[in-house]
Amino acid sequence: DSGVTQTPKHLITATGQRVTLRCSPRSGDLSVYWYQQSLDQGLQFLIQYYNGEERAKGNILERFSAQQFPDLHSELNLSSLELGDSALYFCASSGRGADEQYFGPGTRLTVT
Amino acid sequence: AQSVTQPDIHITVSEGASLELRCNYSYGATPYLFWYVQSPGQGLQLLLKYFSGDTLVQGIKGFEAEFKRSQSSFNLRKPSVHWSDAAEYFCAVGASTNAGKSTFGDGTTLTVKP
Repeated sequence: DSGVTQTPKHLITATGQRVTLRCSPRSGDLSVYWYQQSLDQGLQFLIQYYNGEERAKGNILERFSAQQFPDLHSELNLSSLELGDSALYFCASSGRGADEQYFGPGTRLTVT
Repeated sequence: AQSVTQPDIHITVSEGASLELRCNYSYGATPYLFWYVQSPGQGLQLLLKYFSGDTLVQGIKGFEAEFKRSQSSFNLRKPSVHWSDAAEYFCAVGASTNAGKSTFGDGTTLTVKP
């Protein structure tokens, strides 16, 4: 158990819909990262937040957005969903000054 | 820009045989290097990391990795593979400053034959 929690575990929704994925980092970790993992794209870094502020951006679509709240939990919002958005979405967290990331179990999103 | 290459997409070894998974990186400064393992249906778990010092680092589950600056490599090794080691392995390179994002390789899938 990494200490990172993600909800929900599974999500099935239709094209065009909007969903919110939630992540709670390890206790004391200030950084939260979001990744998308699909069969054809591999593990893709989406975005990083550090203590409430956006720190780094990767291959995140404009239809996707994220935020980190004062209690350090984070949400990833995916809108206008397409079939190609079906993937595993991982959240990871890391502490101050350290780069090793602790991954949550992931949310499996299926868009039908 | 930082990058990671894992040349082997898929490797099959027999149980009890030795294992080496290759990782080559590109980074402009002293890299922070990591190996993660992902079992089917699970999140990634950190196996080991290299920040500085001894270039041979020991990790969990009997894994080790050697940092070779001259070859820009950070290969993962295990002397005797167990069936439970079957998984996907990711090499990653990170920034040396605080909490910078890491760049992951495409992963190597390990199959273990009985």
